[in-house]
This record gives sequence, C-alpha cells and structure tokens, in this order.
Amino acid sequence: DSGVTQTPKHLITATGQRVTLRCSPRSGDLSVYWYQQSLDQGLQFLIQYYNGEERAKGNILERFSAQQFPDLHSELNLSSLELGDSALYFCASSQDGGTNEKLFFGSGTQLSVL
Amino acid sequence: DQQVKQNSPSLSVQEGRISILNCDYTNSMFDYFLWYKKYPAEGPTFLISISSIKDKNEDGRFTVFLNKSAKHLSLHIVPSQPGDSAVYFCAAILMEYGNKLVFGAGTILRVKS
Repeated sequence: DSGVTQTPKHLITATGQRVTLRCSPRSGDLSVYWYQQSLDQGLQFLIQYYNGEERAKGNILERFSAQQFPDLHSELNLSSLELGDSALYFCASSQDGGTNEKLFFGSGTQLSVL
Repeated sequence: DQQVKQNSPSLSVQEGRISILNCDYTNSMFDYFLWYKKYPAEGPTFLISISSIKDKNEDGRFTVFLNKSAKHLSLHIVPSQPGDSAVYFCAAILMEYGNKLVFGAGTILRVKS
C-alpha cells in the first residue's frame, strides 16, 4: 500500500460527459502529480501541484483541469469526454516535489468512455 | 515524440536465471533514469534509479547499467523470481522540468517456475 488513495477505482461514462477523479496523497506529502496511461502507452505526465499551487504542466488537454485543495487532496476534472479519453489515470505524491524525488503512486482510476 | 522507448513488449525468463530489460532514450540531457515496477491493479512502485553521471547502480538483486554514448540503459535482475513477474517501466527526468517523469511504454516480465 503506497498510502496514496484514488477514488473511484472504476468509472464508466458517456461521450460529452464530465467526471471528477479524486486523489489523497500520502500523509505529509505536499506534491501531487497526475499521469494518464492509455492502452499500450507509457504513463503520460499531465500536471503537478505543490502545496496548492500548480508547479508543472505536461500534455494536459484544455478540456482537463486539476486543483489541489488546502487539505492537499487533489481532483482531476475531465470534461466533454471523448472515446480517446478512456485510460487509466494515476495520481502520485512526493514530499516536496523536488527533482528525482521518489514518487508514490495510487492504484489508479480506470475511466471508460462509451 | 517518444523520448523513452522500451522496444520489447514482453520477456519470459526461467526462475533463477537473469532477466535483462532494456530501455533507449533520445534526449541526451536527461539527468536521472528510474525503473518502476507495476503489478496488476496496483500503481507503479519505485525500484531503482541512476544518475546520468554514473554507469552502474546496484541494489540487491537489481542492477541498472547506463551507457550514455549509446543512450541505453538496462535493468538486470539476478536471480529472477516468480514474484518479479510484473510490468517494468523505464523513466527519465530532466532537471529543468522538475520532477516530471518521462515514461517508456513498459515491458511485461514473466518469470516461470
């Protein structure tokens, strides 16, 4: 158990809909990362937050947004969903978001867009 | 643009033998390289890392080798155990981009008993 909690584990929805994925980092970790893993692809970095502020941005679509709340949990919002958004979404956390700091991953949210 | 590539989707090895997982990269500016292991229904877990200024790092049964001239790294597992069966991801970090990991597509390792 990494200590990172992601909910829900599975999500099935239709095209055009909006969903929210939730992540609770390990106790004491200030930085949260979101990654997307599509079929047969490696994990693609989406976005990083540190103590409530956006720190780094990757290949995140404009239809996607995220935030980190004062209690340090984070939410990833996906809107106007398309079939291609079906993927496994991982959240990870680290202590202070420094370079080469070990990341602890949650078990992921499997999103299926039908 | 796949900067980190794992060209072997899968590898099958007999228990007790050596497993060698390979990874190639295109960006010579990467500062650190890492290996993560992933079991089904779980998130990836950190296994071992190596700085770009080193050519070898060892941790128990796991050794990572880095060949900068060839832009190639490999993970050796000796001896392989059935519990090592998992997906192995190679990843790289560019310090100027902070702690953003660039992952390969992964290699499925099956260790047969």
